[in-house]
Order: sequence, then C-alpha cells, then structure tokens
Amino acid sequence: SQQGEEDPQALSIQEGENATMNCSYKTSINNLQWYRQNSGRGLVHLILIRSNEREKHSGRLRVTLDTSKKSSSLLITASRAADTASYFCATDAYNFGNEKLTFGTGTRLTIIP
Amino acid sequence: AAGVIQSPRHLIKEKRETATLKCYPIPRHDTVYWYQQGPGQDPQFLISFYEKMQSDKGSIPDRFSAQQFSDYHSELNMSSLELGDSALYFCASRDGRGDTQYFGPGTRLTVL
Repeated sequence: SQQGEEDPQALSIQEGENATMNCSYKTSINNLQWYRQNSGRGLVHLILIRSNEREKHSGRLRVTLDTSKKSSSLLITASRAADTASYFCATDAYNFGNEKLTFGTGTRLTIIP
Repeated sequence: AAGVIQSPRHLIKEKRETATLKCYPIPRHDTVYWYQQGPGQDPQFLISFYEKMQSDKGSIPDRFSAQQFSDYHSELNMSSLELGDSALYFCASRDGRGDTQYFGPGTRLTVL
C-alpha cells in the first residue's frame, strides 16, 4: 500500500532553477523523511522533519511539513546536474519497535545543464 | 563513516531456486529493516528486527524468512523464487536512540 503520493511524478528544470516536490500522506506520523535515489541505486537520506516541526533547512534543501493537511514539500535551491535523481518521502507512524517507513511514489527530477 | 553493507550486490537465480541476502548494519545500530523495490516502484517494507527479535512484519511472502544474528547482521532467505521476486532489496539500520534509517546500496535480484 502507498502511504503517500508525490507530486509531480516527474519534473524537468534548468540548472540553477529551484525545484519543488510535494508529498501527501494519509495517517498520523511521528516524522517524515526525504530520500534521494540515483537510477536503480541506493537510497540516500536527505533530511528528517518531526511532526512538531514546520520547517527545516539543510544546505540547499528546505523541507516544510503541514500536519493539518498531511503534506510536506521539499525545495532544492540553485539546482545542479548532480541533483538529477528520484526523490521519495517516507513516513513512520511511531509505535515502539514498529517504525517501518512507508514511502511515497517518488518524483523523478531531471536537471537540464 | 561506516555505512550499511549488503551482499551480494547482484544476484541472478533461476525460478524455484533459493537466495540468501546479507546485511551488515552500521556499528552499534540495533534495528534492521528489509525493503523490496520492484521496477519503477517505491520501496515496500518487508520485515524488521530489534535486538535480534522480529519487531514488525509487512508484505513479506511466506516463502521468505529472515533473522538477525548475535552480531546484529541480518539475512533474508528467499525460497521457491518467482519471476516477480526480481527487485532491489534494501536493508536499512537505525540506532535505537534516533529516528533516521540509513539504507544500504541494495541487492539487485534477478530471477530468470
């Protein structure tokens, strides 16, 4: 089952522009994490935002979380060709010993040099 | 910094064969998770272990089993392989005091 839907499914922008990806989820969460995956490779953890946080920054990344709307957004500023990848949001519904991640469907981001 | 290690990285099997995937978590991480990612799909949770005990189970077929050993490494055993088992299998580990799951590079299983 898919907890989240990501929007858009695919995004192509020019290098240097900002990229915004959105994620919606269905159930109450403990935290929400964003991961990057280069084609068919491993999942790289980008950033974690807790349910009591509204915004978080890490380098060129900015994540927002709106628990009332059950949605999150990931903004990548000043995009680079190396940012080309698929981006997934993942949520966990905290229950001790039961912090499995439920992933969204992913956004495939292409940065055009 | 040490990362999650998975072996093998690639595996090719015939239908009805068995496969064993191994995962070595980040040192001092006590929780291991297994996920399956089919082609073009998002990762799906299979099973997890905390302190060598199964802690949660997802959509894992009965043909699959897993365990976590005393050194915290984990193995996913897959029997009677089917074509539909072809996927990327990820292991992730987590420090019990933190919330972030760190993923390994994955094992790409191809069933012919």
